Amino acid sequence: AQSVAQPEDQVNVAEGNPLTVKCTYSVSGNPYLFWYVQYPNRGLQFLLKYITGDNLVKGSYGFEAEFNKSQTSFHLKKPSALVSDSALYFCAVRDGFTGGGNKLTFGTGTQLKVEL
Amino acid sequence: DTGVSQNPRHKITKRGQNVTFRCDPISEHNRLYWYRQTLGQGPEFLTYFQNEAQLEKSRLLSDRFSAERPKGSFSTLEIQRTEQGDSAMYLCASSERQGAYEQYFGPGTRLTVT
Repeated sequence: AQSVAQPEDQVNVAEGNPLTVKCTYSVSGNPYLFWYVQYPNRGLQFLLKYITGDNLVKGSYGFEAEFNKSQTSFHLKKPSALVSDSALYFCAVRDGFTGGGNKLTFGTGTQLKVEL
Repeated sequence: DTGVSQNPRHKITKRGQNVTFRCDPISEHNRLYWYRQTLGQGPEFLTYFQNEAQLEKSRLLSDRFSAERPKGSFSTLEIQRTEQGDSAMYLCASSERQGAYEQYFGPGTRLTVT
């Protein structure tokens, strides 16, 4: 079974400050990891992914994430937050094992609030 | 069309009625997924198609739920004899077969069962 934990329901940060949204995962095989963002009344928008290779992956809108195998974590980061980054962020995992299927398992989401 | 589209965007129905939702994936994507999202939760996987073949179904997909993708293009999700617990956002996503693994999501259909 695969699972994702997002330990913080909400993260507050001042505009211009760095932000981190935490995610830990559990899978049987190699993890394929994803971050999505959801704005009110809209679908999920893909931000970035880790499949293999460099542990630091860069994505859309200046976001990046760091894969840490020993800590089974995939935290989302941004060096300088913007008010427009305020949204609901979801971490998701897929088991990379061939027989693991194609479904994504999502965390419960973290509400990011960036204030002036 | 550059994105996944879903219709209708909102559906209000009375308990016991049947409802059907439609999803049009990104045109070159041959994989299509359905998820359900309730308030305060992340999306939960329901089912997955590769072309017209339904390859995986979640235990969440009770016998009142059925999904089809008859020509490997658009898909429909039908809920029969709706219950209040079916109230949720139903999300559709699509992805390419090779290479890219990310799924691209539509705006969702919000179902309210009264």
